[in-house]
Amino acid sequence: GENVEQHPSTLSVQEGDSAVIKCTYSDSASNYFPWYKQELGKRPQLIIDIRSNVGEKKDQRIAVTLNKTAKHFSLHITETQPEDSAVYFCATRDNQGGKLIFGQGTELSVKP
Amino acid sequence: GAGVSQSPSNKVTEKGKDVELRCDPISGHTALYWYRQSLGQGLEFLIYFQGNSAPDKSGLPSDRFSAERTGGSVSTLTIQRTQQEDSAVYLCASSVRQGRNTEAFFGQGTRLTVV
Repeated sequence: GENVEQHPSTLSVQEGDSAVIKCTYSDSASNYFPWYKQELGKRPQLIIDIRSNVGEKKDQRIAVTLNKTAKHFSLHITETQPEDSAVYFCATRDNQGGKLIFGQGTELSVKP
Repeated sequence: GAGVSQSPSNKVTEKGKDVELRCDPISGHTALYWYRQSLGQGLEFLIYFQGNSAPDKSGLPSDRFSAERTGGSVSTLTIQRTQQEDSAVYLCASSVRQGRNTEAFFGQGTRLTVV
């Protein structure tokens, strides 16, 4: 079945620096790649997603890149702020178009 | 309602008892997912529904776990003979339909504690 590996598990940066989180997946038929942010004690919420027909998507300070040949995708956060501190999850939708499979999560800490 | 609603928010139960967790998806959402999140861990897939049918039950940890969905809306996750390792937050999510690249919206979760 589909497997999603996410790295790093924890990431600490200084306010204003950039943060990069990377995910690899196993199912070449995956065609939807969302990223979720989960603040402490709250539910996961979608922050950005990318589909297999594009290689990069940007929304203000966040961007995602997708390399289907290598089967990996990344989340980039620029000019990080303390409120970016949270756990970030990547995910893929499997080749049956059904379940979302999540990576293990990255705990991002932005220090003022 | 405006979002995915789960009940109860918290549940403390004694080992060996059965529990039922409820998920009320966003109106019109045909796809519904259950995940389990242990403390500080990731989102473990349990089961998903398209309408009332469950095409993929591969994530259910054991035969003590079951889920159903009726009327294409509310879903119930049942855990029989609960064990301490069942303690976790159980999250439900829904999306417009299967097979499309649409956002899955999560409920606030049910925190289950087995003592």
